[in-house]
Amino acid sequence: GAGVSQSPRYKVTKRGQDVALRCDPISGHVSLYWYRQALGQGPEFLTYFNYEAQQDKSGLPNDRFSAERPEGSISTLTIQRTEQRDSAMYRCASSFGQGRLEQYFGPGTRLTVT
Amino acid sequence: GEDVEQSLFLSVREGDSSVINCTYTDSSSTYLYWYKQEPGAGLQLLTYIFSNMDMKQDQRLTVLLNKKDKHLSLRIADTQTGDSAIYFCAESIRDDKIIFGKGTRLHILP
Repeated sequence: GAGVSQSPRYKVTKRGQDVALRCDPISGHVSLYWYRQALGQGPEFLTYFNYEAQQDKSGLPNDRFSAERPEGSISTLTIQRTEQRDSAMYRCASSFGQGRLEQYFGPGTRLTVT
Repeated sequence: GEDVEQSLFLSVREGDSSVINCTYTDSSSTYLYWYKQEPGAGLQLLTYIFSNMDMKQDQRLTVLLNKKDKHLSLRIADTQTGDSAIYFCAESIRDDKIIFGKGTRLHILP
């Protein structure tokens, strides 16, 4: 597609439920990143992939958060046993990688945990 | 540590120049970015500068980098109402990770 797409755009879930957020990067982009943005803040790095390999997951808040990119294209960020503090905008970005580091962001998924 | 600081608000009259400033702490930054976020929209990459450059100009946008002082600025010439948005300064460090500031909300006065 023309840009990074994310689904769903909005997700409301009850505390304790698991959620899966999907990111479809720009075709041909090697690197894929996940960020979380709280209201009034800048995006905060969570994790990133080169192809299917997860290179850095140091930003994942705890072990309830995980991400995968099994075929080096679409990625899924999963949050298990959601808590109210997980409510935020979750943003995905992609880049060509390999020295081309400009990251292009998708529209985000607004997660609300009630 | 890694930190990016920028002022939270800026008001500018339509037609004037806007200058948004940012400081960062990591001297090993490779790229420095400016992103624009309009209400309800995603993050749009406005421009970026390599850390070995001092200046980059792109139409109404001028980016200045003072690497010694770790200071980055974005100048928007002839500011228009459509420039009203939140502008994020960001730096990329090792492993392609980007660190963002909290954003500067630019308000345009008529």
